[in-house]
Amino acid sequence: QVQLVQSGAEVKKPGASVKVSCQASGYTFKSYGINWVRQAPGQGLEWMGWISGYNGNTNYAQKFQGRVTMTADTSTSTAYLELRSLRSDDTAMYYCARDLDPYSGSLGYWGQGTLVTVSS
Amino acid sequence: QSALTQPASVSGSPGQSITISCTGTSSDVGNNNLVSWYQQHPGKAPKLMIYEAFYRPSGVSNRFSGSKSGNTASLTISGLQAEDEADYYCCSYVRTPYVFGTGTKVTVL
Repeated sequence: QVQLVQSGAEVKKPGASVKVSCQASGYTFKSYGINWVRQAPGQGLEWMGWISGYNGNTNYAQKFQGRVTMTADTSTSTAYLELRSLRSDDTAMYYCARDLDPYSGSLGYWGQGTLVTVSS
Repeated sequence: QSALTQPASVSGSPGQSITISCTGTSSDVGNNNLVSWYQQHPGKAPKLMIYEAFYRPSGVSNRFSGSKSGNTASLTISGLQAEDEADYYCCSYVRTPYVFGTGTKVTVL
């Protein structure tokens, strides 16, 4: 069965960077992209971007351009999200999510989430 | 890209049916049928309930159904049960993918 397992919670100071991992299993990693979605406390879902498991191509939401880097290691079936210049409003739960299939435009499988807290 | 508009809350008694609307524009919801719905219980990751506006993934109860007309998509929950109490988000997939709705809290009275 498809599983996405994320790294543990992080506490960072303003201005620092954070790197969250998402290890996939139960399917061929190169066949699907991985999306990153975040949720601030008590708020809604916000799509951050996508990375291809096949060739590493990325598509970032405009809001995060210049501050985010998504990478993928096919040898370990792991996707990474790096967010730089952290601010207090980056405090959120960060989820990785896999497309249900290449055509449906839906997120069929989700990681358990990684809480990132930004505080001085 | 602005968030899609959902009612903040919807409630119903056990056994009743409720409908959650999701209003966008001709650039997102009205552009194609790539609308999905997610259920999120407190402290849990979202779960896909409807994809391509109408279809249920394997394992999702047939009490959940989706529809779309023009720039508005809807999620209907029939035979409301206590376990359906959760937050629900719609989502539209367009050229700049995955625009989410504002979210709706469903309360079972």
